Amino acid sequence: NAGVTQTPKFQVLKTGQSMTLQCAQDMNHEYMSWYRQDPGMGLRLIHYSVGAGITDQGEVPNGYNVSRSTTEDFPLRLLSAAPSQTSVYFCASSLGHRSEAFFGQGTRLTVV
Amino acid sequence: GNSVTQMEGPVTLSEEAFLTINCTYTATGYPSLFWYVQYPGEGLQLLLKATKADDKGSNKGFEATYRKETTSFHLEKGSVQVSDSAVYFCAQNYGGSQGNLIFGKGTKLSVKP
Repeated sequence: NAGVTQTPKFQVLKTGQSMTLQCAQDMNHEYMSWYRQDPGMGLRLIHYSVGAGITDQGEVPNGYNVSRSTTEDFPLRLLSAAPSQTSVYFCASSLGHRSEAFFGQGTRLTVV
Repeated sequence: GNSVTQMEGPVTLSEEAFLTINCTYTATGYPSLFWYVQYPGEGLQLLLKATKADDKGSNKGFEATYRKETTSFHLEKGSVQVSDSAVYFCAQNYGGSQGNLIFGKGTKLSVKP
């Protein structure tokens, strides 16, 4: 069972570059979300989706875009990378609003 | 607003010691509560959960009880092992239609042989 798959696992970007972090789940979950993990900050919600075609902002959305064209995929786009976006990014999915979330392995992003 | 506060580490214990990691929450409704564990270089894995007051979640020797009166969900284990060394996150699902989680800042546990 693949679960939640994130690619790439590691990425180095130069300031101003753009890129897309990929996330796919094979559990037919309606809910998907993106978090960033920073030292001493726990995980903070960037964007989330409650179903295909529906997205909304979380706690720290600035500098990121998302779309949800299918149930399976929820890519996160960095429009113009900044050093403040250096972080570990996690994608998660869940069956319903009171269910546990399943996480991908994470993408470690460094912006230089 | 809704939040989660957990004791910040690091916590260092000897093997077979008793573990408690405190977690309290604030919520406008009745959230589900979770403990997640993150091993080095990996993503988060669900350790245990509780969905209503007085529920006890348990897994791999870890336990936590949903205490509405004290708004707490403390994690306990009677005898830790070296393999329990990881970062532990307490989280709540604040029950809205979004289904998103609010996390504590994490507690790093190191268990020495």
